[in-house]
Amino acid sequence: GAGVSQSPSNKVTEKGKDVELRCDPISGHTALYWYRQSLGQGLEFLIYFQGNSAPDKSGLPSDRFSAERTGGSVSTLTIQRTQQEDSAVYLCASSPGSDRGGGYTFGSGTRLTVV
Amino acid sequence: QKEVEQDPGPLSVPEGAIVSLNCTYSNSAFQYFMWYRQYSRKGPELLMYTYSSGNKEDGRFTAQVDKSSKYISLFIRDSQPSDSATYLCAISATNKLIFGTGTLLAVQP
Repeated sequence: GAGVSQSPSNKVTEKGKDVELRCDPISGHTALYWYRQSLGQGLEFLIYFQGNSAPDKSGLPSDRFSAERTGGSVSTLTIQRTQQEDSAVYLCASSPGSDRGGGYTFGSGTRLTVV
Repeated sequence: QKEVEQDPGPLSVPEGAIVSLNCTYSNSAFQYFMWYRQYSRKGPELLMYTYSSGNKEDGRFTAQVDKSSKYISLFIRDSQPSDSATYLCAISATNKLIFGTGTLLAVQP
């Protein structure tokens, strides 16, 4: 597609349930990022995938969070046993390579509400 | 201390005003600086991208970096209601961008 596609756009889940968030990057973009944006906070880095290299998971806040990228394209962010503090907008971005930030394209995000 | 600090605002200005948005950062090794604009319920979009110190102009927008004081600025001339959005400064670090909290700008017609 022309841009980064994220689904669902909105998700309401009960505390303790698992959720999966999906990201379809721009075709041909080798780098993929996940960020979290909480109310009143800037974007918080979660994880970075680059080609076939091991992902940089240094931003994942706890072991309840995991992500995978299949075939170098689609990525799924999974949050297990969701907590209320997980409520946020989860943004995915892709770029042509491991650039210095000038090539990022963001999706519109998934708004997650944990009740 | 946060790596990037940004006044969250909100900032309200009349149409046609000059807007100044600012961030400070802590690590003098940073070299690549960006400004993103984010409309409500949308992802951020890149507005300006600068390397090292100096000014960069694009239409009504000017980005300024002062590495000696670790200060980055975005100026918007002749502001328009369509400029109403959240503006986020960002700095390139290894494998990621470090973002400020964003400044909410409202341009009143």
